[in-house]
Amino acid sequence: DGGITQSPKYLFRKEGQNVTLSCEQNLNHDAMYWYRQDPGQGLRLIYYSQIVNDFQKGDIAEGYSVSREKKESFPLTVTSAQKNPTAFYLCASSEGAGADTQYFGPGTRLTVL
Amino acid sequence: GENVEQHPSTLSVQEGDSAVIKCTYSDSASNYFPWYKQELGKRPQLIIDIRSNVGEKKDQRIAVTLNKTAKHFSLHITETQPEDSAVYFCAASKGYSTLTFGKGTMLLVSP
Repeated sequence: DGGITQSPKYLFRKEGQNVTLSCEQNLNHDAMYWYRQDPGQGLRLIYYSQIVNDFQKGDIAEGYSVSREKKESFPLTVTSAQKNPTAFYLCASSEGAGADTQYFGPGTRLTVL
Repeated sequence: GENVEQHPSTLSVQEGDSAVIKCTYSDSASNYFPWYKQELGKRPQLIIDIRSNVGEKKDQRIAVTLNKTAKHFSLHITETQPEDSAVYFCAASKGYSTLTFGKGTMLLVSP
């Protein structure tokens, strides 16, 4: 899982600002995912992409946006419409979609001031 | 959609004891069940997984069992060590669908 990187590790944002979290993988994986992790809530899927130039909403997509212009990159934008954005954000990738092992990045901890 | 429930939410054991974490799933078509371990502030890492064509899988001190009829699967850790302390997540998926995760179990192993 060392082939997935996320930046920055910590991010502070003022209310009303959009911020973009970076996720890059060099594993040649087709599928990439974004999860949000809150204490006691497990991992909740925000968006996922099974192939370049295509992505789908997950369970909690409101207030977030993504793009998948390159196979190795899947950035997540947290918009001002997300009412409670403070959380730990995890990116993951898998060789294919569905029942394939997902490998996680180290995460970005976003705090709204 | 799929729903995965995980119990217990917290589990405390003494070093050397066994630990068992259980998950139930709702979609009988689910066929892939991974378990992840997440240490504090770190990324989740896959520790073992099982597919629906087998009932049990072992890897050293870790084993997973699957009961398709009852739609539940369990993680078994034997001879626990302090370094096993972490949050463990189960998940389920089918076909090309995404993983659905349980809410996690915090395992505390006391020396």
